Amino acid sequence: ETGVTQSPTHLIKTRGQQVTLRCSSQSGHNTVSWYQQALGQGPQFIFQYYREEENGRGNFPPRFSGLQFPNYSSELNVNALELDDSALYLCASSLAGDSNSPLHFGNGTRLTVT
Amino acid sequence: GDSVTQMEGPVTLSEEAFLTINCTYTATGYPSLFWYVQYPGEGLQLLLKATKADDKGSNKGFEATYRKETTSFHLEKGSVQVSDSAVYFCALSDRTGFQKLVFGTGTRLLVSP
Repeated sequence: ETGVTQSPTHLIKTRGQQVTLRCSSQSGHNTVSWYQQALGQGPQFIFQYYREEENGRGNFPPRFSGLQFPNYSSELNVNALELDDSALYLCASSLAGDSNSPLHFGNGTRLTVT
Repeated sequence: GDSVTQMEGPVTLSEEAFLTINCTYTATGYPSLFWYVQYPGEGLQLLLKATKADDKGSNKGFEATYRKETTSFHLEKGSVQVSDSAVYFCALSDRTGFQKLVFGTGTRLLVSP
């Protein structure tokens, strides 16, 4: 069973730039969620994708957007980067339709905005 | 909105000591409750879960009981090991059709030999 993989592992960007983070879901999973974890904090829900559509969103501005592809992999795009966007971005996959299906997390992408 | 409150860390223990990490929650419905663990440089791993009141989740010697009357889900382990050193997150899922986890701020556990 292949777990959740994220790329890149680390990234440094300048304020105002745009960034794309990538995630491959665990085999057999059809739902992908993204979380932002600031230093010393718990993860915060950004959004979730199912059947290539966003089906839930947290309290994040529209410059945070995403995609899900037919193979269930996903991208997180952040435009107009701000210093506060520096964080660990976690992707998690799960199986839709089973509310008790646990989320399986990747190791994350560490984004630093300077 | 829903929220999770955890005791602040770090929690520093000697090997074989008893561990308790407190977690309380606020939710409008009947959430599922989880404990996740994060080792240095890694993502989150599910440690245990409970889906209804009085359920006890357990894994690797860790236990937590879903207490609806006190809205709590405290994590316990009878004898910690150095390898248990990590950050522990309590979380809830409100089960409203899509799986969204609300996390606490995490509690760092440091176990010394």
